[in-house]
This record gives sequence, structure tokens and C-alpha cells, in this order.
Amino acid sequence: SQTIHQWPATLVQPVGSPLSLECTVEGTSNPNLYWYRQAAGRGLQLLFYSVGIGQISSEVPQNLSASRPQDRQFILSSKKLLLSDSGFYLCAWRPGQGSGANVLTFGAGSRLTVL
Amino acid sequence: AQKVTQAQTEISVVEKEDVTLDCVYETRDTTYYLFWYKQPPSGELVFLIRRNSFDEQNEISGRYSWNFQKSTSSFNFTITASQVVDSAVYFCALSEAGPSGTYKYIFGTGTRLKVLA
Repeated sequence: SQTIHQWPATLVQPVGSPLSLECTVEGTSNPNLYWYRQAAGRGLQLLFYSVGIGQISSEVPQNLSASRPQDRQFILSSKKLLLSDSGFYLCAWRPGQGSGANVLTFGAGSRLTVL
Repeated sequence: AQKVTQAQTEISVVEKEDVTLDCVYETRDTTYYLFWYKQPPSGELVFLIRRNSFDEQNEISGRYSWNFQKSTSSFNFTITASQVVDSAVYFCALSEAGPSGTYKYIFGTGTRLKVLA
């Protein structure tokens, strides 16, 4: 069966520091991968999605970047964190083949607090 | 562009009451898919149901039921005889075809449901 892992689960970082959140999927090949952010009291905002290694689509221009160095690995990064980067970050995956009927499966999330 | 609206920010009910969570969507696609997810306090989103645009039959699963109406672009979710364990944030979502054969999933802002004992 497929599983998705995210780490770290919680992170407290000072403003201006770098960020790296990692997501990996097991038990499948060539998944579509997604990063979402949930700010306090707000909905889910799609940040990035990827259909393959090195292929990243950005939805919202901002202080963050994403990379996919391996088929089942998706990394969210920042060189210098802002206070507004605080939030709950969720990684998700779906099968690479198929239609919009495929269900997105989410990881447990990473809670980032920028001080 | 696709859009999902959940106008109810927060709902509080007393245990055993019925509650309906509203979801209204906008899309230009003729084929599309709608989803409901539950986010308990732990934070992880849990898939509840998927509905395609060609199937307007209502669905019931235990205490949960969903009403899909294309005429009003709505996909509402009802919990019958609510329980404290139903307390969570509920998200409605719509999948949208993107470039390179992939799909984006557009989420509403969520409805926080509080079920009081």
C-alpha cells in the first residue's frame, strides 16, 4: 500500500532563516505531488505541484520554492523566512495516470512557526 | 477559473442535532469531480467522498449524506445525529485539469464544525 511521509512535524524558525520541508511517498511510481499551505483560520492554498522529476508548477509567487530531486520526493524550501510564512504545510499525492477523479491523499502536515 | 465557496465559517450544534455544510462551486468544465475532506484536530486531511459531474444521485454513508445539484452548482454535506467526534474542519474541493496532463485541486476555505455534548 502507499504511504506518504512529511517531516519535520513541527518547526519553529526565526525570521530570515532558511527552510526545508520534505515529503516522500512510498509504494507507487511517478505520482503527482502537491504542496498546500493552511494559514491560521484559513483554507488550503495550493503552492506547488509536480508531475515528474524536476517539473514544478508554481501557483502563487512568493518566498517559497519547491524541488523534486527524485520521483517520490518533494521538497519545499525558502532561503529567508518571513513572518507570513507561518502556517500548516501539507504535502499530498495522487496517481500520475488517471483523471480528475483521483483522490488526493495527504500527509500528516508540518506546522511552521516563524518568530 | 474554478472556485469553491464554503460560506459557513463555523457552525456549532448540540450533539444529536442534524447539520448541513454548504458547498458551492464554479467551473467551466463539463466533466468535473467534487470531493469532501475532514480535518480533525490532528491536522491530517481525511477523504470522505468523491462525486463526478454525471452522477447526481444523492449518497448516504451511515450518518453522512451528500446532496449534489448541478442546477445550483452545489454539493452539500449533511451529518445526521451529530456526535462530538464529528467536530472538525470540513473542506469541499473541485479538481481542475491543468497543463501537462495533471490536475489541480481547488479547496474551499473550510467550515469548522463544533459539536457540543
